[in-house]
Amino acid sequence: GQNIDQPTEMTATEGAIVQINCTYQTSGFNGLFWYQQHAGEAPTFLSYNVLDGLEEKGRFSSFLSRSKGYSYLLLKELQMKDSASYLCAPSWGKLQFGAGTQVVVTP
Amino acid sequence: SQTIHQWPATLVQPVGSPLSLECTVEGTSNPNLYWYRQAAGRGLQLLFYSVGIGQISSEVPQNLSASRPQDRQFILSSKKLLLSDSGFYLCAWRAGGTEAFFGQGTRLTVV
Repeated sequence: GQNIDQPTEMTATEGAIVQINCTYQTSGFNGLFWYQQHAGEAPTFLSYNVLDGLEEKGRFSSFLSRSKGYSYLLLKELQMKDSASYLCAPSWGKLQFGAGTQVVVTP
Repeated sequence: SQTIHQWPATLVQPVGSPLSLECTVEGTSNPNLYWYRQAAGRGLQLLFYSVGIGQISSEVPQNLSASRPQDRQFILSSKKLLLSDSGFYLCAWRAGGTEAFFGQGTRLTVV
């Protein structure tokens, strides 16, 4: 891949906040997607950032800094159903995915 | 509205047998099409992508090939499966720079 780095796993309790960081190679970059994937299922789209800054969508927000090759996904008011893998996907024309961050939400 | 169909949902094949997985998209024209593979507990590995009929880019040299005989049809094939070909195969489509939409996936077990 294109040096996409995100943590392997994160654990948080219900109602808490978790921030998933992602760094990537900046050359030729033209946007970054975040996807959620529950075990055994296909990924579903969460957010898309093409400009620097924060995009808020309900409990989920995504931030992008193009110059730093850095993004994060912020999950607020965690619910048990948020337990899933979260995939960072920078786009350089073709769409490549990071290895994913497994978020475990505990009661 | 656009839909993507991928089949079969599950498949068990012996080592050395051929493979053909098909993906079709409805409701859009000239989509970018992708094949990904996901090993258990791992991320999505991009295998092939296509920006048009007959145009295939291979990302990882391996035992697989892809073809796009029609605008909205993308086929993943192998002449002889290996044990290491087992995994969750996902087809996806995009229109330009928009988000990708995934099929439901095919879980392939090579035995």
